[in-house]
Amino acid sequence: QKEVEQNSGPLSVPEGAIASLNCTYSDRGSQSFFWYRQYSGKSPELIMFIYSNGDKEDGRFTAQLNKASQYVSLLIRDSQPSDSATYLCAVKGYSSASKIIFGSGTRLSIRP
Amino acid sequence: SQTIHQWPATLVQPVGSPLSLECTVEGTSNPNLYWYRQAAGRGLQLLFYSVGIGQISSEVPQNLSASRPQDRQFILSSKKLLLSDSGFYLCAWSPWQGSSYEQYFGPGTRLTVT
Repeated sequence: QKEVEQNSGPLSVPEGAIASLNCTYSDRGSQSFFWYRQYSGKSPELIMFIYSNGDKEDGRFTAQLNKASQYVSLLIRDSQPSDSATYLCAVKGYSSASKIIFGSGTRLSIRP
Repeated sequence: SQTIHQWPATLVQPVGSPLSLECTVEGTSNPNLYWYRQAAGRGLQLLFYSVGIGQISSEVPQNLSASRPQDRQFILSSKKLLLSDSGFYLCAWSPWQGSSYEQYFGPGTRLTVT
């Protein structure tokens, strides 16, 4: 079992709709959870992070964390073509020292 | 504000040649530093990380090495490159203190070994 799992996609969403990206993790003691966006040929960019169960909103982005289900998601409202990218989920495990573990990413495509 | 630099941006090297990639961070002290490699169409592979000067942890045994000669400088090296070393090399930093562990990436170096 991978430590951080994401569906590789591609996930195709019409412009203006809500894009929902999901991630599961194996370390039940994980402390912090991150979402990164990576455009093709570019380096990953931190979108947001979440520590506590529930929702955290930042503009059009909402991160949702459910530690009991070991599940974290990212919702993108009013999706734009510029949101087309690969989204990486990352997790700071309880015993992973100074490291965070990245999922392999979900490719999101917003169709006009 | 903090800034992370990497150079060169692109590099084409023959098999068996040496490698040196440099990463520097500005605007913070005693950061944790990381080297990742991303093969084409693949996820991030952590290669090395450092929590202080001269302190290097290796994640993947291979022909690469890392050094941290100064607080905000991280260098990735190889004595002899292999074809399989081709990829996108990313340096990242994270704050040393506090409860946050988020990492911030540099622009990357795209290495092609021919």
